[in-house]
Amino acid sequence: DAEITQSPRHKITETGRQVTLACHQTWNHNNMFWYRQDLGHGLRLIHYSYGVHDTNKGEVSDGYSVSRSNTEDLPLTLESAASSQTSVYFCASSESFSEAFFGQGTRLTVV
Amino acid sequence: RKEVEQDPGPFNVPEGATVAFNCTYSNSASQSFFWYRQDCRKEPKLLMSVYSSGNEDGRFTAQLNRASQYISLLIRDSKLSDSATYLCVVARSGGSYIPTFGRGTSLIVHP
Repeated sequence: DAEITQSPRHKITETGRQVTLACHQTWNHNNMFWYRQDLGHGLRLIHYSYGVHDTNKGEVSDGYSVSRSNTEDLPLTLESAASSQTSVYFCASSESFSEAFFGQGTRLTVV
Repeated sequence: RKEVEQDPGPFNVPEGATVAFNCTYSNSASQSFFWYRQDCRKEPKLLMSVYSSGNEDGRFTAQLNRASQYISLLIRDSKLSDSATYLCVVARSGGSYIPTFGRGTSLIVHP
């Protein structure tokens, strides 16, 4: 069965370190998205991609970057982790005009 | 004004009750509409798509009013297992397909 997986599921890191969260989908979807979820804010879009070598900034992109070298993967990098980036991160994929499928999430704590 | 707005609740209802949630969206170019369910900060999962003609899936009915730019979800005969957060999702059309989430409405069904 097709799926979307995120790793790691939990991570604790120190302020200032570079962190990369992985997202891998086997749906063969062109669209991939990264969201963060915080109490009181709901899901907010960080970055998204419509295909290989395409990346775009979302509403909360500062301090984050993504790259898309193949269809299956969209890793999210925190260049220099800050305590404000403590959150739950969700990756999703979809075809246009269709529902998005989500990974199980990564709970990141920056200390 | 947020692009997608929902009443956060919580809605606290007894088993067997009927409960309705509304969601408003601001972008008239929106083309795709969904309701998702999220349990205890797990990943959101599609509950149902929302079509212009309205659609029903068992105890759940979704409706779209394009003129007033709102979406509704009706749950009949509530079960304890319906307790969750319900997320309204709207996606724009054209070359910029981005699922945008409301903050979610919390439902608590009690015995």
